[in-house]
Amino acid sequence: GENVEQHPSTLSVQEGDSAVIKCTYSDSASNYFPWYKQELGKGPQLIIDIRSNVGEKKDQRIAVTLNKTAKHFSLHITETQPEDSAVYFCAASNDYKLSFGAGTTVTVRA
Amino acid sequence: DVKVTQSSRYLVKRTGEKVFLECVQDMDHENMFWYRQDPGLGLRLIYFSYDVKMKEKGDIPEGYSVSREKKERFSLILESASTNQTSMYLCASSPGTSGSTGELFFGEGSRLTVL
Repeated sequence: GENVEQHPSTLSVQEGDSAVIKCTYSDSASNYFPWYKQELGKGPQLIIDIRSNVGEKKDQRIAVTLNKTAKHFSLHITETQPEDSAVYFCAASNDYKLSFGAGTTVTVRA
Repeated sequence: DVKVTQSSRYLVKRTGEKVFLECVQDMDHENMFWYRQDPGLGLRLIYFSYDVKMKEKGDIPEGYSVSREKKERFSLILESASTNQTSMYLCASSPGTSGSTGELFFGEGSRLTVL
């Protein structure tokens, strides 16, 4: 099955700086790579996703890049704000089973 | 807005008890999922269902069963709860054409403690 590794497990950044979270996956057949954000006391919520036929996707302050050859993908958050503090999960899928990384706790310092 | 509702936010049960976790979604989604979330392990898929009365095992189905008698409701059952099933349980749904390759809509979770 798919194995997704996520780094770092915790990330502390100064407000206004950028944050980068990296993930690797094992199954070369995976073709869908979403990122979820989980705020305290809530369920995860999709913030951005990318499919294998695209190398990069951007939505305002967040962007995701995908390198299929190396089997890794990354989340970039620019100009971080206090409301970006949360747990972020990457995931990979090629069918009904979505495999998640272990999560990254991001703390934005004011 | 899509709403996935998990009936209990917090439960405390004793070892050996039978536990039911209920999940209801209001967007007529075909696919429903149960995950457990543990620190350092992320979200792990227990069971999923892509149609009424259909179920498929996920990555960690041992000790769990599910029931999907109606399209909007997906129940997770712990036949005999054990302490290693203490966890946060998350239910999710998605539209039929997407499976897991589309947005999952999650509930707020049910935190189960087994004593």
